[in-house]
Amino acid sequence: QKEVEQNSGPLSVPEGAIASLNCTYSDRGSQSFFWYRQYSGKSPELIMFIYSNGDKEDGRFTAQLNKASQYVSLLIRDSQPSDSATYLCAVINTGGFKTIFGAGTRLFVKA
Amino acid sequence: NAGVMQNPRHLVRRRGQEARLRCSPMKGHSHVYWYRQLPEEGLKFMVYLQKENIIDESGMPKERFSAEFPKEGPSILRIQQVVRGDSAAYFCASSSNAPGTGGETQYFGPGTRLLVL
Repeated sequence: QKEVEQNSGPLSVPEGAIASLNCTYSDRGSQSFFWYRQYSGKSPELIMFIYSNGDKEDGRFTAQLNKASQYVSLLIRDSQPSDSATYLCAVINTGGFKTIFGAGTRLFVKA
Repeated sequence: NAGVMQNPRHLVRRRGQEARLRCSPMKGHSHVYWYRQLPEEGLKFMVYLQKENIIDESGMPKERFSAEFPKEGPSILRIQQVVRGDSAAYFCASSSNAPGTGGETQYFGPGTRLLVL
């Protein structure tokens, strides 16, 4: 079992729709969770971080965390073609300093 | 306000040569991380350093790879006797606080693309 799992996609949604990206993690004690966006050939850029169970909203983005289910998701409302990228879920493992990244989900937003 | 700087952006080496990758963290950041990314794959943690200290190198190959973050100057990732399998993008990130403290958001540099011929 991978430490951080994401559906590789591609996930294709029409412009204006809601894109839902999911991530599960194996380390039950993990406390810090991040979503990064990476355009092809570029470096990852932070979208959001979340530490507590529940929802956290920032503009068109909402991160959801359920520690009991070891599940974190990212919702993108009113998806735009410019949102087309790979989205990386990242988790800091228990008691350590290692940030584990998922392999990423490729999102395509069709105009 | 300069972000994380990495150089060179592209590096070509022949098998057996040494590759030296540099990373200057964001101003005020004393925590540096190195990651490797193969094409179409996620980021793989290599090492986490603070000034003059290696904190976690559990992701580093045991041989040929080393990292440092001296008191003055950039962090260096050194790969000795490179092989074709070392070809990848190497990203550096920095943060203001240590992981697990709540201020550990990592900001990434543009990466160094290493090609081993």
